Amino acid sequence: EPEVTQTPSHQVTQMGQEVILRCVPISNHLYFYWYRQILGQKVEFLVSFYNNEISEKSEIFDDQFSVERPDGSNFTLKIRSTKLEDSAMYFCASTPAGAGGPKDTQYFGPGTRLTVL
Amino acid sequence: KQEVTQIPAALSVPEGENLVLNCSFTDSAIYNLQWFRQDPGKGLTSLLLIQSSQREQTSGRLNASLDKSSGRSTLYIAASQPGDSATYLCVAHSNYQLIWGAGTKLIIKP
Repeated sequence: EPEVTQTPSHQVTQMGQEVILRCVPISNHLYFYWYRQILGQKVEFLVSFYNNEISEKSEIFDDQFSVERPDGSNFTLKIRSTKLEDSAMYFCASTPAGAGGPKDTQYFGPGTRLTVL
Repeated sequence: KQEVTQIPAALSVPEGENLVLNCSFTDSAIYNLQWFRQDPGKGLTSLLLIQSSQREQTSGRLNASLDKSSGRSTLYIAASQPGDSATYLCVAHSNYQLIWGAGTKLIIKP
């Protein structure tokens, strides 16, 4: 069964460094998402992406964050200058094409644990 | 603004018992209501998704119900097993976002 993959599984970085988290959505999906979960807290929506542009973003998704679909398969989340509070699990998700659009079931990757020191 | 609340925050029951996890949401204009399972330090496993036109969904020992008018959903687990121990997350699908509850941490004692 097709699945969403994410790399790396764990990333450790120094405060102020740039990180890129990578996701490979399911191949025929058109809508892509990033969520984060700080340890012990709720999962939070960051951004949704469709047709090579951001559909919606939360207050968390400030100028330090950016997303890109550099080719036909990868979907990346970049944090330009990491802060201690960016330490969290980051989940990528994708939604199938079709009339349901963003209302369809979202398929989640296993997550990337980001640790900022 | 949609908010999702889950009660209780934690629950510990002996193996074999049936149990109910509760979820409430403030905005009834949802597309779907979904239940996930999360094991410690791990990813998210979708358990059941109820579309807004549906009242319930069943998968094995799990049954999820949805009452949009009252803003409530329940997850019923029958004949609980130690392997059911995990955090269960209720999620309301509003527009382009998933709005997450804080979860119920379930411990099934052998």
